[in-house]
Amino acid sequence: AQSVAQPEDQVNVAEGNPLTVKCTYSVSGNPYLFWYVQYPNRGLQFLLKYITGDNLVKGSYGFEAEFNKSQTSFHLKKPSALVSDSALYFCAVRDPFSGGYNKLIFGAGTRLAVHP
Amino acid sequence: DTAVSQTPKYLVTQMGNDKSIKCEQNLGHDTMYWYKQDSKKFLKIMFSYNNKELIINETVPNRFSPKSPDKAHLNLHINSLELGDSAVYFCASSQEGADTGTGELFFGEGSRLTVL
Repeated sequence: AQSVAQPEDQVNVAEGNPLTVKCTYSVSGNPYLFWYVQYPNRGLQFLLKYITGDNLVKGSYGFEAEFNKSQTSFHLKKPSALVSDSALYFCAVRDPFSGGYNKLIFGAGTRLAVHP
Repeated sequence: DTAVSQTPKYLVTQMGNDKSIKCEQNLGHDTMYWYKQDSKKFLKIMFSYNNKELIINETVPNRFSPKSPDKAHLNLHINSLELGDSAVYFCASSQEGADTGTGELFFGEGSRLTVL
């Protein structure tokens, strides 16, 4: 079965420090991978995606993610965290059996808390 | 202009009632979705329509009936509400078709349903 794992319920980081939010996946074939962010009482916002090509993808708000096929990981990173980055982050993979449509399978989410 | 809008934002109702949530997108996208987010923030797809045609129908009780009068609208009607239906329901849209499902999802702000 296709799945996404986010092993950390919460990540705490001091403002200005680098941050990493972990994601591993299990999917048949080549994965289409996504990161979304959810601020309190808001819908999810797209951050970045990996479809093919360069393993390091850059996205919104200074975030980037590294695709590692051998480790089946797609960790989200940012060199210098901001307090405003505090939110719930979701990793997702497209179901390869969804007929080409964007049926996304989401991880359980990781709450990022950036402290001043 | 709000890209994906849902109404109502909050809905409190009694068990056994029937209720509807409406969704509209002004992005010109062909595909719309309903996702359910439970109290633990876990997100799961329920339905998807492409240009008014149902393309994804997960194992959702048949008390839930989506309706898409045109490609810009996707409504969700729920009959005989149960306590377990309490959740946040998110509408989303994306521009995609078969073999082009690599576009990101644009989410509405969610409709919080509370069943008493």
